Amino acid sequence: NAGVTQTPKFRILKIGQSMTLQCAQDMNHNYMYWYRQDPGMGLKLIYYSVGAGITDKGEVPNGYNVSRSTTEDFPLRLELAAPSQTSVYFCASSYLSGQGAEAFFGQGTRLTVV
Amino acid sequence: AQKVTQVQTEISVVEKEDVTLDCVYETRDTTYYLFWYKQPPSGELVFLIRRNSFDEQNEISGRYSWNFQKSTSSFNFTITASQVVDSAVYFCAPRGLKTIFGAGTRLFVKA
Repeated sequence: NAGVTQTPKFRILKIGQSMTLQCAQDMNHNYMYWYRQDPGMGLKLIYYSVGAGITDKGEVPNGYNVSRSTTEDFPLRLELAAPSQTSVYFCASSYLSGQGAEAFFGQGTRLTVV
Repeated sequence: AQKVTQVQTEISVVEKEDVTLDCVYETRDTTYYLFWYKQPPSGELVFLIRRNSFDEQNEISGRYSWNFQKSTSSFNFTITASQVVDSAVYFCAPRGLKTIFGAGTRLFVKA
């Protein structure tokens, strides 16, 4: 069972470039999340989704976009990369929200914008 | 508004010492879950435990124990007889539609 898979694991972008961080889960979870973790800091919620076709903003959504066309996939799009987006990005999924189900995390994508 | 505070930023102990990490969750919700996650130096996030606001009984699992006091919104995590492998960042995370994470407590266990 793969769980939550993120690709790529590492990426260096130039300012102004765009890219998509991929996230896929094979646990049939309804809820999916994107977090960013800046060096030495906690996790900040970027976007989340409660099911296919439904997404909503988290704490720090500016500069990002998401889509959820299937239950399995939840890609995160950076349109115009900026140095402030240098961070480690984690995708997570859970079966239920607010009912005690823990989140399962991917291994993270380390993004550097230069 | 919800607010989660992890009281200690960093803790350093010598192996075999007991160590307690403190988390305070301020909310108007009467029912909620709190989770603890561990992030070792390798970077992955590992789920440790969930507790709900109904249950104030201590829970013990091996060297880990948890204590929840609803009156003070304190959710504390104790490692007994710490080991070097316990060195990690520990996050307290209230669980809701928008799960928020505390800033983390970095634990150093020295041999």
